[in-house]
Amino acid sequence: GDSVTQMEGPVTLSEEAFLTINCTYTATGYPSLFWYVQYPGEGLQLLLKATKADDKGSNKGFEATYRKETTSFHLEKGSVQVSDSAVYFCALSFTQGGSEKLVFGKGMKLTVNP
Amino acid sequence: NAGVTQTPKFRVLKTGQSMTLLCAQDMNHEYMYWYRQDPGMGLRLIHYSVGEGTTAKGEVPDGYNVSRLKKQNFLLGLESAAPSQTSVYFCASRLGRDTDTQYFGPGTRLTVL
Repeated sequence: GDSVTQMEGPVTLSEEAFLTINCTYTATGYPSLFWYVQYPGEGLQLLLKATKADDKGSNKGFEATYRKETTSFHLEKGSVQVSDSAVYFCALSFTQGGSEKLVFGKGMKLTVNP
Repeated sequence: NAGVTQTPKFRVLKTGQSMTLLCAQDMNHEYMYWYRQDPGMGLRLIHYSVGEGTTAKGEVPDGYNVSRLKKQNFLLGLESAAPSQTSVYFCASRLGRDTDTQYFGPGTRLTVL
């Protein structure tokens, strides 16, 4: 079935460091791809998304490009801040039983130190 | 506009007890979901609903029941709690068929002793 594999971490970076979180997917069709972020003690929030090949999603300085040829959707940020400390989840949408659902990666915890 | 809210925030149960988790959304969303989050497992879908009066099984439905009697509410029930159901439970909602973004509640941390 459709699935997502992502870096699990945890990862600790210094402020202003470059961040890459790898995400690859397996899907039978053409899913939409997402990055969700979970700040401490909160629910998940959509960070960015891309709905078709070569689309780039971006938000809050984060970017990810939908690469069909490598089945990847890696998340990048050029200069992380302490406030970016959170758990990051890659996800894809798939249709089953006539309804669209999300399947999530296992999440990666990022800690950014000042 | 409160978005998605969940009640309670924390709960401790003994094995065999029952309880109901309530999810409410004020965005007039059609679709609602219940997930559980366990360390190293990501989020797994328990049950979902595509509209008032409808429910369907997700990836890990055993031991849980749900009801969607009103469009704005989605209830998750545990009839006889087991320690394996210790988890953080998240509710989410989505506007409808032509949208793909899910909006999540803050979660309920459940411990079963």
